[in-house]
Amino acid sequence: QLVLTQSPSASASLGASVKLTCTLSSGHSNYAIAWHQQQPEKGPRCLMRLNSDGSHIKGDGIPDRFSGSSSGSERFLTISSLQSEDEADYYCQTWATGMKVFGGGTKLTVL
Amino acid sequence: EVQVVESGGGLVQPGGSLRLSCAASGFTFSRHNMNWVRQAPGKGLEWVASIGGGGRHIYYADSVKGRFTISRDNAKNSLFLQMNSLGAEDTALYYCARAGGSPDYGDHFESWGRGTLVTVS
Repeated sequence: QLVLTQSPSASASLGASVKLTCTLSSGHSNYAIAWHQQQPEKGPRCLMRLNSDGSHIKGDGIPDRFSGSSSGSERFLTISSLQSEDEADYYCQTWATGMKVFGGGTKLTVL
Repeated sequence: EVQVVESGGGLVQPGGSLRLSCAASGFTFSRHNMNWVRQAPGKGLEWVASIGGGGRHIYYADSVKGRFTISRDNAKNSLFLQMNSLGAEDTALYYCARAGGSPDYGDHFESWGRGTLVTVS
């Protein structure tokens, strides 16, 4: 079964960096994912499509502060130079024929 | 500019029906897999249904299979979701999302709307 697992919450200080993790279920370590950001009271927006080799394509207008990487079944989103507007929910998403799957989301607090 | 705008949400009684629409602009609609994604109050994102660019390759989440029907009108750049037998568990903000990748199956959600609220009560 294709499942994505995320920690429910994370926090980091203004100006610092944070690394969020999304873990693919067993047998799916070669799957690509996407990272989406949802700021409070807004619709989601796609940050990037992230491949299993760590290569990624960012969405239009996404700042260089956002980057992605991969290791085995884990997919990472790193946000550097944290700003107040980065406080948001972050969802990973993947896909297979006939289905699309979201992780439970990580709520990021900027201290 | 790529834009998708949802409409049609509202308050409906349990057991009732509702039809959502999504108007697309700024891209070649027929070349993209399109999706409905929902978010219950205070909860995470849940994929609901997907339709290929040509109107085939239709898939549903188990939670809505047999009750919801996704369709599209490529001549009018529009996506629809017919929702029947609604229950309280269907209360959510419903988003229209354009997928990248294969026009038939799609992969990641490239563009999102702002959503339309469906309340079943």
